[in-house]
Amino acid sequence: GAGVSQSPSNKVTEKGKDVELRCDPISGHTALYWYRQRLGQGLEFLIYFQGNSAPDKSGLPSDRFSAERTGESVSTLTIQRTQQEDSAVYLCASSYSGSQYNEQFFGPGTRLTVL
Amino acid sequence: AQSVAQPEDQVNVAEGNPLTVKCTYSVPGNPYLFWYVQYPNRGLQFLLKYITGDNLVKGSYGFEAEFNKSQTSFHLKKPSALVSDSALYFCAVRDGKGNNFNKFYFGSGTKLNVKP
Repeated sequence: GAGVSQSPSNKVTEKGKDVELRCDPISGHTALYWYRQRLGQGLEFLIYFQGNSAPDKSGLPSDRFSAERTGESVSTLTIQRTQQEDSAVYLCASSYSGSQYNEQFFGPGTRLTVL
Repeated sequence: AQSVAQPEDQVNVAEGNPLTVKCTYSVPGNPYLFWYVQYPNRGLQFLLKYITGDNLVKGSYGFEAEFNKSQTSFHLKKPSALVSDSALYFCAVRDGKGNNFNKFYFGSGTKLNVKP
């Protein structure tokens, strides 16, 4: 079946502009995660959604970052007033039920470049 | 605090030789451990996981990993490396309990280079 998809695959924007990144999780996956991966580095947790529970936003680096999820489907990550340090690959992952036994399935990522 | 360490930024091995990619963790309680692989310009792919039971876990593409509770390690291994195994490998741990059990903690990654 279809995996996690993300759009756009690449985004180039100017400093100060807002950007919106989209993630379509695997159908039936109730848990959805956003991560940031800077060049050559590991994954930085941003935010986690589980069903209708309040999202875990503890990883968001500043109030310029926000994310929403419609039910158990699409999620959007919004970065306002982008800065050059926001340049990174933004990865989305989903998993079934959110149980700690279940691995995450990752999308291909959105490469964001802020000029 | 929870953490995952991959002490080697890069591992070089000749094709056909065994490989080991190291991972140690610091998570209270019983952790759930995962390995992921990232090929160039691709997202992360799940390789294997340890939840409970046998300390030696077998996964995709001939990889296996050994959980060692006393050493808090979960090293990734393969008996015979292939050039196509060259990629970036991430170890991840998920806290088994508490308020953070939904979170994955990822290591910084180890680049595996397999040379012909």
